[in-house]
Parts: sequence; C-alpha cells; structure tokens
Amino acid sequence: GNSVTQMEGPVTLSEEAFLTINCTYTATGYPSLFWYVQYPGEGLQLLLKATKADDKGSNKGFEATYRKETTSFHLEKGSVQVSDSAVYFCALIYGGSQGNLIFGKGTKLSVKP
Amino acid sequence: GAVVSQHPSRVICKSGTSVKIECRSLDFQATTMFWYRQFPKQSLMLMATSNEGSKATYEQGVEKDKFLINHASLTLSTLTVTSAHPEDSSFYICSAISGGSTDTQYFGPGTRLTVL
Repeated sequence: GNSVTQMEGPVTLSEEAFLTINCTYTATGYPSLFWYVQYPGEGLQLLLKATKADDKGSNKGFEATYRKETTSFHLEKGSVQVSDSAVYFCALIYGGSQGNLIFGKGTKLSVKP
Repeated sequence: GAVVSQHPSRVICKSGTSVKIECRSLDFQATTMFWYRQFPKQSLMLMATSNEGSKATYEQGVEKDKFLINHASLTLSTLTVTSAHPEDSSFYICSAISGGSTDTQYFGPGTRLTVL
C-alpha cells in the first residue's frame, strides 16, 4: 500500500546547524510529495512540494528533491533558526485525489539559541 | 494565505455526551473539507471527506453514525462525536480546499478532545 516513513524525533539542533529530516515513501504510480510544518498552536502549513521526479521544492531556506530511484524526499536546510522549531510532516498524494493525502508521523524539531 | 479555524481548541466532556467541533474557512469558500484524527506520536488519519451540500464520504473503519459530519455551507463544516467514550479522546484536525486549488489543503489548528 501507500505509505510515508520519516525519521523519528525529536531532533534538537543549535542555531545555524545543518538540518536533514529523512523521508521515504511507498506508492503505486507517481505521487506528489509534500512537506508540511506545524508551528506551536497553529495548523499545518504547506512548506514545499514536488510533483514529479527530480523536481526540487524550496521555501524559506528549506529544500527537498523528489528522488524516484531512492523513493525519498528528504528535507534540508543549511542553517536553522530558533523560529524553525516546529513539527514537520512528510506527505504524499496518490492518484491525484485530495482524499488520498497520506502523512508520515511527524518529526519535532527544536532549535536552541 | 488561506485561513481555517476550529472551535473549540480543546474540550473535556463526560462519557456518553456528544461534542460538536466546528471548522470554518475564514477567507475563502471551501468546496471540500476533510476531517482527520491524530493519535499521540502517530500520523494524521483521514476520517472523512465532505463536500458542501452532500453527504460525507467516510474512510473504511470510521463509524458514520458516531462521527456525524455536516457541511451545510461553503465556509462551515461540523464534526459531532456522539455518545463519546474515552477511546474517542484524540486530536481532531480539519482541512479545506478551495475550488481553485488542486492539491493544497489548508489546515485548522486542531481540537483536543478528552472524554472522561
């Protein structure tokens, strides 16, 4: 079946450190891939997305590349800030239907000053 | 960006009572709304999809008579947990899409339900 696996947290980093949150997926066909972020007390927000192989999504200094050969969509940022502290969810949509949005379990990131 | 609100943000109720959770799109018309449930350290699980003016479509394993969903207008959907029991305690999240977007869901902040 279709599923998303992401690294378990929590992840604790110092400000300006390099961030990688791993995400791999299993899906039939060619899913669209997403990273959502949930800041404390707020709803999930779309951070970035990629809709086909080799696409790179980017936003707010975060990047992720759709790797079909490794079925991965790892999230990276070169220099994290305290304000990046949040829970990050990797997700996919298969079959082009909004009802088929599948999430990973989320990874909590804490950035210390 | 588009904003979705939920009310209440948290609710505590006694076993056997019913609880209603509201989901509103504040600055856009939501043709479709989704209801998710999230257990601690687990991913969001889709419960049902509702389209304005029609019956909700429930995912397999979700009791439609227990989780009543109404999408009476283009800006409001409600989830009613009927005869709540402690095992219904969870974090409930709604999301919405506008007619103009094909793959971006806008999420509410969630509602924490605790059934005693």
